[in-house]
Amino acid sequence: NAGVTQTPKFQVLKTGQSMTLQCAQDMNHNSMYWYRQDPGMGLRLIYYSASEGTTDKGEVPNGYNVSRLNKREFSLRLESAAPSQTSVYFCASSDSGTGVGELFFGEGSRLTVL
Amino acid sequence: QKEVEQNSGPLSVPEGAIASLNCTYSDRGSQSFFWYRQYSGKSPELIMSIYSNGDKEDGRFTAQLNKASQYVSLLIRDSQPSDSATYLCAVIGWGSQGNLIFGKGTKLSVKP
Repeated sequence: NAGVTQTPKFQVLKTGQSMTLQCAQDMNHNSMYWYRQDPGMGLRLIYYSASEGTTDKGEVPNGYNVSRLNKREFSLRLESAAPSQTSVYFCASSDSGTGVGELFFGEGSRLTVL
Repeated sequence: QKEVEQNSGPLSVPEGAIASLNCTYSDRGSQSFFWYRQYSGKSPELIMSIYSNGDKEDGRFTAQLNKASQYVSLLIRDSQPSDSATYLCAVIGWGSQGNLIFGKGTKLSVKP
């Protein structure tokens, strides 16, 4: 029972490079989320997808794009990475009905931008 | 700007004691409240949810909600060293489209 799977777990980029973080869930959840976590800043929502085919901006969307590929998969793309995007990124999913607020998180992706 | 405030700690308690973690929120219209636990280097995991005023107990954990005071707390009874982690308070605010607003977390250390 994998839950929420994120890849890669670690990545080092140079400023200006691009990359995509992949996320997949096997719990048949409608809602999926991308958060970043920085020391002293807590978890901040980047983008979310309430259902397949929809995406919306969260608190800190600048510099990111997302794709809800199907119900299982939600990817986060950095088109031109900046040092300010050095962070730990978490994907999460939830049941949009009774499970609103009850998030299941992936293991995280640790990104360093040099 | 809707905010969720927590004391960053660290909060240090001896093994077997009661740990009390507190959280305040700014949005009076908030409806749902959650506590997540995050071990160092790991992802957050949900441990408690509470939706109405009063206490909710689950094993050694008790969540308390006071909407009039905009205050949520988590009590951990008989604290164990394995409870040492950062505890994140999260709130679904009015008009937030169901999205959580997280506090910055309180780091708890339980000393043997």
